[in-house]
Amino acid sequence: GENVEQHPSTLSVQEGDSAVIKCTYSDSASNYFPWYKQELGKGPQLIIDIRSNVGEKKDQRIAVTLNKTAKHFSLHITETQPEDSAVYFCAFAGGTSYGKLTFGQGTILTVHP
Amino acid sequence: GAGVSQSPSNKVTEKGKDVELRCDPISGHTALYWYRQSLGQGLEFLIYFQGNSAPDKSGLPSDRFSAERTGGSVSTLTIQRTQQEDSAVYLCASSLMGGAGETQYFGPGTRLLVL
Repeated sequence: GENVEQHPSTLSVQEGDSAVIKCTYSDSASNYFPWYKQELGKGPQLIIDIRSNVGEKKDQRIAVTLNKTAKHFSLHITETQPEDSAVYFCAFAGGTSYGKLTFGQGTILTVHP
Repeated sequence: GAGVSQSPSNKVTEKGKDVELRCDPISGHTALYWYRQSLGQGLEFLIYFQGNSAPDKSGLPSDRFSAERTGGSVSTLTIQRTQQEDSAVYLCASSLMGGAGETQYFGPGTRLLVL
């Protein structure tokens, strides 16, 4: 079935450093790749997404890159701040899955002041 | 405007009891999704509603789970004869039309604990 592998499961960085989280997916027909941030006790919130016709997208300190040939996509956070500490999930949709999202296992990011 | 709301926010029940979880999607959104998040895990798709189409129930883990969506808006997820393994956070999301590539907006979730 469809699945996505997300690494690392935990990531600890110092404030100001960069953080990178990578996901590898299985369904080559996938065409939509969102990243969600989940803070404790809250639902996931979309922070950035990318579609298959684009290789990279940036929004201030956050960027996502997509390599369709290798079937992986990555989240890059630069100049990390303590408020970036949260759980981050990658996901994908498309192909035969219409809007249904398949999620990675999550990465716990901790930014130390 | 108002986001996706869910109730109750927390639910503690005894094994064998039935529970109902409610989701109010964003007004005007025709697509509604239920996901389950077990402790320390990613989100697992349960069921999808889009307009008046038959729902996609392919993610429901057993026949104890069912969901309905009345009037194309509010949805209720029902778990009958709850088991301890049903303990999880149940998340609801909605999107405008339900197509791939649409942003899904999540509610805060219902935290279910089955004793």
